[in-house]
Order: sequence, then C-alpha cells, then structure tokens
Amino acid sequence: DTAVSQTPKYLVTQMGNDKSIKCEQNLGHDTMYWYKQDSKKFLKIMFSYNNKELIINETVPNRFSPKSPDKAHLNLHINSLELGDSAVYFCASSQLAGAVTDTQYFGPGTRLTVL
Amino acid sequence: AQSVTQLDSHVSVSEGTPVLLRCNYSSSYSPSLFWYVQHPNKGLQLLLKYTSAATLVKGINGFEAEFKKSETSFHLTKPSAHMSDAAEYFCVVNGATNKLIFGTGTLLAVQP
Repeated sequence: DTAVSQTPKYLVTQMGNDKSIKCEQNLGHDTMYWYKQDSKKFLKIMFSYNNKELIINETVPNRFSPKSPDKAHLNLHINSLELGDSAVYFCASSQLAGAVTDTQYFGPGTRLTVL
Repeated sequence: AQSVTQLDSHVSVSEGTPVLLRCNYSSSYSPSLFWYVQHPNKGLQLLLKYTSAATLVKGINGFEAEFKKSETSFHLTKPSAHMSDAAEYFCVVNGATNKLIFGTGTLLAVQP
C-alpha cells in the first residue's frame, strides 16, 4: 500500500549510458514531481506534471526527459549520463497544482551512481 | 522570490533534552511552510505544515513549530529528544506555483 513508489532503489551505471527511473503514486493525485538531491543533501525541483502536462521545468539539461503516460506515473529518462548526474532522485506527488497549501508526498528515492 | 535559511547545519543534543532547529524564510507571498525529516537512506516524511491557520503547529512524533511573521521564522522544537529523532531536517517554503524551496538541512544528532 505504498503511496509513492520508485524503481529502482539503486542504479549504478557507466558514463554515456541511458537509464530510466520509474515513479508511481496510488494516492489519486493530479500532480507529480521530480527532485534531485546532491551530495550535500540539497534538494531542488526538476520537473512537475499536472494530469500528464508539464508545468514546471527548472532549466534541467535536455538529456533529462520526463514522461507521464498517465497521471499516476511519472518516469524520468536520462540520456548520455555524466558523472555530475550522480545524486538521489526523489519523486513526489500532490493533490493540486499551484496550490500553495498543498502537501507533497515523497517516494523513497533512487540513488544513481555514474562511474 | 522565496528562500529559506536553516541557521545550523548540525545540532547535537542529549537524549531527553529539548530540540530547537532554526529556520528563517523570505517570501513575497503569504507562504506555506513545512518541515520534512529524512532518516538515513530513507525518503522525506512530512513532520508538519503551516498554512495561515494557527501559528503554532503540532506535528508527528511530538514536534511542533511556531510561525512568527514579525521575525520571519518557523523554528522546529521538541521538548524531549529521542534517539530515533536523529535525522536530517529540512525547512521548506511554498510561496507560489507549488514549487517547494528547500533549506540546506540541519543534521540532528542525539547523544545517549
């Protein structure tokens, strides 16, 4: 009965490879997000989708491409992986888009290591 | 523009003593403020949130925070620390467009 789930939990890969991280939420929320947490634990939003439509894109390199097949899923595909992409990636969801009071619920994170 | 400053990167307390984690915010709008906790190698869990109702907000596990507009602060407190409280704590502001702005985190250590 996990609310926001991500797969895989750990991902180790070589530079230059392409990889995907999947996220699913069973909360019935309309909005989903991807965040990146760097080695200093700093968290920053990357993307947000509302009902399969992109609403936030925080100047992330275009090697990163989010895809939302339906409002319960938001996947993150990364092309040509670089060392600097090593981080923990968190998926989150919330009920509403643009609602300041809305709570975001986070997944357990995916630790990506690029060698 | 919104921003959050967590004044201490590390806080160490003894078990059973009070906890104070400090947070100051800046927002052009009437903000919503949150505290999230991250235990080692775990995801983020919501502790509590302020959304312009009562200024003293109670959260899970005995934590509470007080919104002070005059001081632009939203400090997190707990009367008595427990070993299981050891974790990273993030103060977060949501000023507009549901874009959360995270502080840099405070690592809380609890000594036996």
